[in-house]
Amino acid sequence: DIQMNQSPSSLSASLGDRVTITCRASQSISSYLNWYQQKPGKAPKLLIYGASSLQSGVPSRFSGSGSGTDFTLTISSLQPEDFATYYCQQSYSTPRTFGQGTKVEI
Amino acid sequence: QVQLVQSGAEVEKPGASVKVSCKASGYTFTGYYIHWVRQAPGQGPEWMGWINPNSGGTNSAQRFQGRVTMTRDTSTSTAYMELNSLRSDDTAVYYCARDVSSVAGMDVWGQGTTVTVSS
Repeated sequence: DIQMNQSPSSLSASLGDRVTITCRASQSISSYLNWYQQKPGKAPKLLIYGASSLQSGVPSRFSGSGSGTDFTLTISSLQPEDFATYYCQQSYSTPRTFGQGTKVEI
Repeated sequence: QVQLVQSGAEVEKPGASVKVSCKASGYTFTGYYIHWVRQAPGQGPEWMGWINPNSGGTNSAQRFQGRVTMTRDTSTSTAYMELNSLRSDDTAVYYCARDVSSVAGMDVWGQGTTVTVSS
């Protein structure tokens, strides 16, 4: 199985901050990397697919980059609604493993 | 609108089985894979498997093989996930989600079904 390792596991940030979350795969997954946002009691929401493609309807302050084993999710200017937990997930092979998550807090 | 609507919460005893449904609407059911993902309390999501509604073909994570059965009914645009031999650590919220291909991500999710396993 491909292991996905996210860092940090949590971070504290302020409104307007630039936030960066990293995800490392245990082997190359090309660009088969997706990012999700999850708020308490809700299903995950797709933000970024294919490592860098913005899902329709997602604000442009979210961006993704990387390929191979190292990936980054960036929030350019943190908004109140962005406080949530973020997960990376590889779709290169099954099982479609998720990272352990990064909780973004005030 | 495009949506996946799941069945309601279940409480089961250890050793029992549970079957969760996921009804699709607003899109062509056979055009997207349906994935099943679960999330135990306080934990991250865990992928369980997928079903191709067009062919009925399935692929499940090895740790669930032999315990999970994924099926679909194209006449009602509904996918099902049955998990057998339930244990207390199967207590989780179970989600269905769709994707059109492995490069596209899971773009629509069900609301989740809470399954509690308790004696």
